[in-house]
Amino acid sequence: QKEVEQDPGPLSVPEGAIVSLNCTYSNSAFQYFMWYRQYSRKGPELLMYTYSSGNKEDGRFTAQVDKSSKYISLFIRDSQPSDSATYLCAMSAVGFNKFYFGSGTKLNVKP
Amino acid sequence: GAVVSQHPSRVICKSGTSVKIECRSLDFQATTMFWYRQFPKQSLMLMATSNEGSKATYEQGVEKDKFLINHASLTLSTLTVTSAHPEDSSFYICSANPGYLSTNEKLFFGSGTQLSVL
Repeated sequence: QKEVEQDPGPLSVPEGAIVSLNCTYSNSAFQYFMWYRQYSRKGPELLMYTYSSGNKEDGRFTAQVDKSSKYISLFIRDSQPSDSATYLCAMSAVGFNKFYFGSGTKLNVKP
Repeated sequence: GAVVSQHPSRVICKSGTSVKIECRSLDFQATTMFWYRQFPKQSLMLMATSNEGSKATYEQGVEKDKFLINHASLTLSTLTVTSAHPEDSSFYICSANPGYLSTNEKLFFGSGTQLSVL
């Protein structure tokens, strides 16, 4: 079983839609949760960071962490064509010497 | 957010030559840097963890003599692909953690290097 599972998509939505991206994980020790956006042939860009459980909002983006279910989500409101990219979830914990990534979900927002 | 600079962004080389990729943390010190490889439409594959002042830790299946990593300072790590072959063609990305090894809160990435070996 992979440490982090993420639906690869592709996910295609119309402009203005609410997008929900999700990851599940198996290691209950994970405490730090991140979402990255990666455009083609570019390095991933950190979008959201959350420590432990709860919600965090930044503009059109909301990150949720449910540690009891080992489930994290990224919501994008009023999606724009410029949001079209691959979204990667990542997680880690104190004492871990690496980060664990999902496989990435490719999102396409149609004008 | 913290800035990680990676250079070059693209390199084309002949088979058998060596290529060096640099990764710099511009506004923070990075005790640990990570090197990833990414194939088209696939996720990041961790190659090695670079620790300042010590030997890198390589993931299983990654040839340490093929992919030489040097982390000589708190702001610079280099990856050298030695005797490159066409199968080494890939997108290489570095990342750095602005914290101590035990505080894996955030990870910032360089812009990546597309290596093409002819």
